Amino acid sequence: GAVVSQHPSRVICKSGTSVKIECRSLDFQATTMFWYRQFPKQSLMLMATSNEGSKATYEQGVEKDKFLINHASLTLSTLTVTSAHPEDSSFYICSSEDTGSADTQYFGPGTRLTVL
Amino acid sequence: GDSVTQMEGPVTLSEEAFLTINCTYTATGYPSLFWYVQYPGEGLQLLLKATKADDKGSNKGFEATYRKETTSFHLEKGSVQVSDSAVYFCGRGSTLGRLYFGRGTQLTVWP
Repeated sequence: GAVVSQHPSRVICKSGTSVKIECRSLDFQATTMFWYRQFPKQSLMLMATSNEGSKATYEQGVEKDKFLINHASLTLSTLTVTSAHPEDSSFYICSSEDTGSADTQYFGPGTRLTVL
Repeated sequence: GDSVTQMEGPVTLSEEAFLTINCTYTATGYPSLFWYVQYPGEGLQLLLKATKADDKGSNKGFEATYRKETTSFHLEKGSVQVSDSAVYFCGRGSTLGRLYFGRGTQLTVWP
């Protein structure tokens, strides 16, 4: 099946700094990628839809100035957590839909962000 | 609003026991429905899906039937194995490829 990678797998940063997380589709082109946040013992929350060559679409309640998304190529989307605070600590997961496999999303392994 | 509600865990079973994880949804229309599985240390993987009412998705001995009358998509397996221990997520599709998930159910199977 299609492979989606994320980098880094875990990151620890100081409060007030910005952190960039990369999501790559390794063997297919992805015009659309999705970013999720997973809280401990809670569901995956869809944060935004990343669209190649255009602005991301954010879900209700997600601060777009806090979570900057850039999808500059067909294989790479980045999520930047700006001015991170301890409450931003979470597990961030991306996914992508392979246009050749309708309705099926492939998920990255996730990035554990810890803000001190 | 639209949502997915699934059975709270954790669920603990002995090997070869019968498994049911309940999932119901609310949505406008008839969305595609999914079960994803997250094994320890790995990313989510599609387990099965159904795209219209009365469809049955199946994979690896797991089954789920799209019931529009009860707006449900319960996951079942007749005989679980230790290797089935994982977190299971019920999800529904939406416009533009978006997926919305339930809270996840942790399953632990003991030998």
